[in-house]
Amino acid sequence: AAGVIQSPRHLIKEKRETATLKCYPIPRHDTVYWYQQGPGQDPQFLISFYEKMQSDKGSIPDRFSAQQFSDYHSELNMSSLELGDSALYFCASSSRQRTDSSYEQYFGPGTRLTVT
Amino acid sequence: DQQVKQNSPSLSVQEGRISILNCDYTNSMFDYFLWYKKYPAEGPTFLISISSIKDKNEDGRFTVFLNKSAKHLSLHIVPSQPGDSAVYFCAASQGGSEKLVFGKGTKLTVNP
Repeated sequence: AAGVIQSPRHLIKEKRETATLKCYPIPRHDTVYWYQQGPGQDPQFLISFYEKMQSDKGSIPDRFSAQQFSDYHSELNMSSLELGDSALYFCASSSRQRTDSSYEQYFGPGTRLTVT
Repeated sequence: DQQVKQNSPSLSVQEGRISILNCDYTNSMFDYFLWYKKYPAEGPTFLISISSIKDKNEDGRFTVFLNKSAKHLSLHIVPSQPGDSAVYFCAASQGGSEKLVFGKGTKLTVNP
């Protein structure tokens, strides 16, 4: 079965640079979520989109922005990168069509961002 | 403030025996709970979930138990297999909110 696709898988940037992470949800999934996982930490929710509209917001820095496009893929844009932004960034998707499993989020493999 | 707590960072069991992973939560508004399994360099893989209206959900070798009064849930894996060795995350969500709140994970090692 098709899974969530994230690109790139690895990204190295310098401080103050910008980065764009991409996420392609499972086909027919309408909701996309972004999480950040620091070393030895649990995933922290950043932001989510449903039907191309922002639906929930967590601890996302103002330097970050995200959007969901008409084909349901999403991009996380990160500017003025800091050393502390180095982390694994996961995208997850779900479908609200099936109410019995609408809370089940399926995760991509993640993008490992290293800021030097 | 950690709303979802997995107090055991690691657990080691013998192949064929039962693995019991525990999770506690503090937010009584959580109404849906999930377990994820994570291998290094991969994203979390959904295992099993339970709604707060139930106290047990079973799927093959995996069973999740929910004790609402104690704000406690557990994942039972029977029988445990070496391929089950991974980090297991407990997660919770609150009705109307989409974000998952994760525990810090328990590293399970199943020895042959």
